[in-house]
Amino acid sequence: DQQVKQNSPSLSVQEGRISILNCDYTNSMFDYFLWYKKYPAEGPTFLISISSIKDKNEDGRFTVFLNKSAKHLSLHIVPSQPGDSAVYFCAASLLGAGDKIIFGKGTRLHILP
Amino acid sequence: GAVVSQHPSWVICKSGTSVKIECRSLDFQATTMFWYRQFPKQSLMLMATSNEGSKATYEQGVEKDKFLINHASLTLSTLTVTSAHPEDSSFYICSARATENYGYTFGSGTRLTVV
Repeated sequence: DQQVKQNSPSLSVQEGRISILNCDYTNSMFDYFLWYKKYPAEGPTFLISISSIKDKNEDGRFTVFLNKSAKHLSLHIVPSQPGDSAVYFCAASLLGAGDKIIFGKGTRLHILP
Repeated sequence: GAVVSQHPSWVICKSGTSVKIECRSLDFQATTMFWYRQFPKQSLMLMATSNEGSKATYEQGVEKDKFLINHASLTLSTLTVTSAHPEDSSFYICSARATENYGYTFGSGTRLTVV
């Protein structure tokens, strides 16, 4: 039972354009959401997070949007750069419930020159 | 920022032997650390939650006698893969949470190959 779903295994975007990565979740009790970037053979790197009390959080080129009624969040990267090519994991957490975070399967982003 | 050091970054071992992986929080104390496993093109699967000074909490389907976790101090957790078999070959990653608003910091991972 996948509680965090990233339905697009890969995405290709032209350099300079906007990259939009989507994520859906099933557990309405999740109250904290995170995005991670991962290169091959390396650990994930924290990108940005959002609490369930907000619907948007922005940090430089990265913006995360949360739609609680739809149980959907998205990560926008604008403008996309070649170094953004990586696998992006969406994750959700239940604060106070052991701090466990549940990951989606990831979306591989290719930034095209 | 918070740094988690994981060692070794890769290891090759023979079937039947045991391998220990270390996870250290370098500039913060972590009462809780997490161990993940990633198969190729798969998500990060939580194996267990390591609690300082107490027993680890294992996820369903993870053999606690095979994957021994020790969290003896606030900066060190170890995962020992006992009697390793080829199917244990995987990428193991640890993580810790520095502060409530910081997010989880991950180690660089350990590539285990059992031959």
